Amino acid sequence: DQQVKQNSPSLSVQEGRISILNCDYTNSMFDYFLWYKKYPAEGPTFLISISSIKDKNEDGRFTVFLNKSAKHLSLHIVPSQPGDSAVYFCAAVKAAGNKLTFGGGTRVLVKP
Amino acid sequence: EPEVTQTPSHQVTQMGQEVILRCVPISNHLYFYWYRQILGQKVEFLVSFYNNEISEKSEIFDDQFSVERPDGSNFTLKIRSTKLEDSAMYFCASSVSPSGVKTQYFGPGTRLLVL
Repeated sequence: DQQVKQNSPSLSVQEGRISILNCDYTNSMFDYFLWYKKYPAEGPTFLISISSIKDKNEDGRFTVFLNKSAKHLSLHIVPSQPGDSAVYFCAAVKAAGNKLTFGGGTRVLVKP
Repeated sequence: EPEVTQTPSHQVTQMGQEVILRCVPISNHLYFYWYRQILGQKVEFLVSFYNNEISEKSEIFDDQFSVERPDGSNFTLKIRSTKLEDSAMYFCASSVSPSGVKTQYFGPGTRLLVL
């Protein structure tokens, strides 16, 4: 199931700099998108979400951008902190459903 | 802050045995879900549950799987006869509603190992 793809398996960034994580989707029926952070041996932790009626949502250091025409979303983390080192998943939900479809994840390493 | 809890954290079982994974969703949530993540693979949806019945299930969720809300707080996933390929992390999640804000909150997971 390749409906949601995160093409960068890993990202390394210096503390204090911006982390940009990308996610592409193919199904135009998706209308809600979420980003989760996951540490090893823990469950996904919700970070931020965006509805398809918006193109940007901001919460503290986290901003999600949605480009519907390109079927692309991104997560910006500014400034990046060592505690942000984790695997980040994007997920999408269809308008008529409640099943999350996940991307494969991007492992972020923030170097002090 | 309310959270989803899961027990046990780890379960080792022999192939062919039955296992029950337990979850306590967030108390005011109405929708409940099970997902799993096989090592090295994506998180995959298994089933969603609302109003004491399954609302959606994936192809993975075959007759070997069942879910139940036996009381007002627990939500369980039963695997009747485990196979080697059932070895995975199993995550329970819950949400207030499937429409509008669709955020699902996940538990810490149960690591199931089938030998």
